[in-house]
Amino acid sequence: EDKVVQSPLSLVVHEGDTVTLNCSYEVTNFRSLLWYKQEKKAPTFLFMLTSSGIEKKSGRLSSILDKKELFSILNITATQTGDSAVYLCAVFAQGGSEKLVFGKGTKLTVNP
Amino acid sequence: DAGVIQSPRHEVTEMGQEVTLRCKPISGHNSLFWYRQTMMRGLELLIYFNNNVPIDDSGMPEDRFSAKMPNASFSTLKIQPSEPRDSAVYFCATGGGNQPQHFGDGTRLSIL
Repeated sequence: EDKVVQSPLSLVVHEGDTVTLNCSYEVTNFRSLLWYKQEKKAPTFLFMLTSSGIEKKSGRLSSILDKKELFSILNITATQTGDSAVYLCAVFAQGGSEKLVFGKGTKLTVNP
Repeated sequence: DAGVIQSPRHEVTEMGQEVTLRCKPISGHNSLFWYRQTMMRGLELLIYFNNNVPIDDSGMPEDRFSAKMPNASFSTLKIQPSEPRDSAVYFCATGGGNQPQHFGDGTRLSIL
């Protein structure tokens, strides 16, 4: 059965800290891995990673994939209170299927 | 460009009643996905359509759940009869191929 595991489940930091969120996966026919940010409503797309070792970056957020070790990390530098959210990792698997398998998420709280 | 539009935003009803959730996808997106999100189980795929045809309904929990996509601009998820354990946030998302899925704001369903 396809599985995506995120750690930690929750994290509390102070503004200005740097955080690293982890995502490991066991899936059939891996195609790509996605990161989403969920505040109060809909998950919003952050990154999609397909190739190992290539960092994707957007402002203070960055992410990288290791297909050999089957994991990805999401880094957030100089955290702000607006970064408080649940961060979801998801994987496209199963060959041609468009099914996304989601992890349970990491709840990040950034205190002022 | 309007995103995925879901209605209603909130629904509170008594057990045994029929519930219909609605989704208008992003124009041009060929695939539509219905998810359910709970604290215990996270985000789970219920069913997805490609070009209005159901492709994978393996996540539909019981025969009480049904989904339709009569045309490219509308989909419904119906629960009949509803039960308290169906209480959750239901998301509709759209996408296509190996592209990121874009989520609506969800319907928060409470069955009393």
